[in-house]
Amino acid sequence: AQSVTQLGSHVSVSEGALVLLRCNYSSSVPPYLFWYVQYPNQGLQLLLKYTTGATLVKGINGFEAEFKKSETSFHLTKPSAHMSDAAEYFCAVRPVGTDKLIFGTGTRLQVFP
Amino acid sequence: SAVISQKPSRDICQRGTSLTIQCQVDSQVTMMFWYRQQPGQSLTLIATANQGSEATYESGFVIDKFPISRPNLTFSTLTVSNMSPEDSSIYLCSVVIAGPYSGNTIYFGEGSWLTVV
Repeated sequence: AQSVTQLGSHVSVSEGALVLLRCNYSSSVPPYLFWYVQYPNQGLQLLLKYTTGATLVKGINGFEAEFKKSETSFHLTKPSAHMSDAAEYFCAVRPVGTDKLIFGTGTRLQVFP
Repeated sequence: SAVISQKPSRDICQRGTSLTIQCQVDSQVTMMFWYRQQPGQSLTLIATANQGSEATYESGFVIDKFPISRPNLTFSTLTVSNMSPEDSSIYLCSVVIAGPYSGNTIYFGEGSWLTVV
């Protein structure tokens, strides 16, 4: 069965610092990949997705992620953190041929002034 | 894109009772799913809501506990039956929109936050 691993349940950065949230997946066939954000007491919002084509994907709020097949990774980055980025971030995969999502355990991002 | 409305948004429920959550989409969708997010946990798929037929449940979830209906292409309900404190979770409706502009994109509702006391 496919799985998603998010390294680090909590990540803390200073405002203006680089944000790096790690995501690795297990699959012999590259799935579709997603990052979702969940702000406190809110639902899920799609940040970005990779299906096919360019491996560097740009999303909302200045986030981007790069699909690296050789490393089975889809890490999320943002050059400069903002206080409003504090939230829970979920990496998810959608195995080819299905519309179901398999979620990682999530990473809580804290941003300090 | 899709606008997904879930009701109720929040509720506090008594142990042993049942609650039905509604999911309404503003456009016809091909697939609808129900997920659960327990406190401090990630999301887990409960079932696929099939239009006009019985839902398809994931391992660990059964119809008697989580009956699901989907009478048409824009509406589905999830019932949480005989609730216990362990059922305290966020329940999220998810839909798949296919099309030339959005591709096969998955959207989530705002969630229904249930607390069982």
